[in-house]
Amino acid sequence: DAKTTQPNSMESNEEEPVHLPCNHSTISGTDYIHWYRQLPSQGPEYVIHGLTSNVNNRMASLAIAEDRKSSTLILHRATLRDAAVYYCIPNAGGTSYGKLTFGQGTILTVHP
Amino acid sequence: DAGVIQSPRHEVTEMGQEVTLRCKPISGHNSLFWYRQTMMRGLELLIYFNNNVPIDDSGMPEDRFSAKMPNASFSTLKIQPSEPRDSAVYFCASSPNVGGYTFGSGTRLTVV
Repeated sequence: DAKTTQPNSMESNEEEPVHLPCNHSTISGTDYIHWYRQLPSQGPEYVIHGLTSNVNNRMASLAIAEDRKSSTLILHRATLRDAAVYYCIPNAGGTSYGKLTFGQGTILTVHP
Repeated sequence: DAGVIQSPRHEVTEMGQEVTLRCKPISGHNSLFWYRQTMMRGLELLIYFNNNVPIDDSGMPEDRFSAKMPNASFSTLKIQPSEPRDSAVYFCASSPNVGGYTFGSGTRLTVV
């Protein structure tokens, strides 16, 4: 599994954009980049994933560096409900798709 | 869609007793995963199944742990005998071939 480096914690104010970085310099060419988040006292939930191109969905945007050694999860307008631990997970496609290895993640605090 | 259903939500048991955790995946999802989460070790993948067949059980800590998936709609994780160090939150997740995981709400196990 590719190693990841994420900040231990970040803070934001409500309704401001948040950029959560992740370094994955050992990522292989076929690894997708997945982001999950875990709200307090809940199981993790899927946020977004991508391979090379930037991706958008209703929850967030994923910006992937051209060399794929880093990516950034973008929350366009943070809300109090976005306070969670955010995990960046490189993961191989194909038969290995199912095996997601969670690191320590980034604890995001959102201030009113 | 009721999501991934885990039972019980909380379990308190005495050391040495058998514990069985249950999971009902989302209908149509063909992969199922058991994770354990503690403060010290974070989220650890214990075992995962694809089409009811165990694919990777390398995360199962020892022979006291066993998991079964007798059909596509049910899985169990059993600990026998239980020990205090098994205290953790146990999550079940399911996923389709292409797409993100959906996690259950977890079972908080306390072994005294």
